[in-house]
This record gives sequence, C-alpha cells and structure tokens, in this order.
Amino acid sequence: AQTVTQSQPEMSVQEAETVTLSCTYDTSESDYYLFWYKQPPSRQMILVIRQEAYKQQNATENRFSVNFQKAAKSFSLKISDSQLGDAAMYFCAYRSPNFGNEKLTFGTGTRLTIIP
Amino acid sequence: KAGVTQTPRYLIKTRGQQVTLSCSPISGHRSVSWYQQTPGQGLQFLFEYFSETQRNKGNFPGRFSGRQFSNSRSEMNVSTLELGDSALYLCASSLGPTGELFFGEGSRLTVL
Repeated sequence: AQTVTQSQPEMSVQEAETVTLSCTYDTSESDYYLFWYKQPPSRQMILVIRQEAYKQQNATENRFSVNFQKAAKSFSLKISDSQLGDAAMYFCAYRSPNFGNEKLTFGTGTRLTIIP
Repeated sequence: KAGVTQTPRYLIKTRGQQVTLSCSPISGHRSVSWYQQTPGQGLQFLFEYFSETQRNKGNFPGRFSGRQFSNSRSEMNVSTLELGDSALYLCASSLGPTGELFFGEGSRLTVL
C-alpha cells in the first residue's frame, strides 16, 4: 500500500517570501501521479499542481512549483512570492493509475500561515 | 461549467439514525469518489464509483455504503450512526484514472 508523509504540521512565511512544503511517499509502483491540494478555511479542496511520475521535468503553475525527486520519493512544493490568499492547509496526495485502484492517498497536511 | 455539488452542506443527526449524502459530479465526469475528513484520522478514502459500479472501497465498516446512478450522480449512506462518524464528507469527480480529482465543498455531519 502507498503512504504519503508530510513532516511539517505547520509552516509560516512572511508575505512576498518563498516557502517550501515537504512531502515524501512510499510506493512500489513505477508509474503514478502526485498532487498538491490546497484547502482554505472555506474548506473546498482545490488542486494546486500535479506531477506525472514518468515526466522528469518538474511541474510549474505560476507561483507554485514542485521539486520531484523520484529516486528519493520526494515531492516538495515551493510557493514563491507568498500572498495572504495562500494561507490554507496543503495536502500532498498520491494516485495510482491502475484500474480499480485510483483512489487518492493523502498526507496529513501542512497548515501554512502567511504573516503580513 | 458547474463544479461538484454536494448536498446537504450541514446536518445534525443523533446516534442510531441514518443519513444519506448526495453528490453531483462535473458534467461529463463518470468517476465519483468519497472521502471522510476528520481532525484525528485526516482524509480517508471511502469508495469510488465509475459507470454505476463500485471499483474500489476503503477500510470502513459495512454501515457505510454508496451507489452511483446512470447520470453519474452518487449518494452515500451511513446507517446506525455513531459519534465517531462526525466528519466532513467530501465528494470528488474525475474524468478517469489519469485525471485530477475535483472536489465539492463537502457535507459536514455532526452526530450527537
């Protein structure tokens, strides 16, 4: 079974600064998908960024980028130029592409606070 | 395009009662999955449906059940409610196994 670990329960960053959230995972599969989801206090889970394991290039979405290290099974999220609206719970998640096993396995989350 | 819609948003039940939660996926999405979110256990997978068939089930007791209709709408049911069933129940839809999941706002269940 796959597991996802987020070792930072809470993080804080000054507005406009850069912060990196850590995520490691364990799997025996060679092909899979990794995601970062954001859950603001309004609680709707929003996709931030996704990474396909077969792609070596790290995914980027505007101010959000990942550092995907497949051999190390590490998938960190970097948020540049942090904004007040970035304050939320961030969940790292793993998804298998195998038929019948496409569930998301989530980490425990990192609560990000933005300091004005 | 409308997002994932979950109803009701909030509900309060007492122990022993049952509850039914509804989820309407994004138009065109045929896969619907359900997750339970609690402060203690985090986000846990309940089950996934595709074309009216349950393809995957999480480690929950038989009191938790679900179904999917031909229009891809899904319902989940919890019978004989226990205090520990108090949680945010999230529904998500996707096009298929390679697509990202889009989540609804959730149904907040409180069991007294």
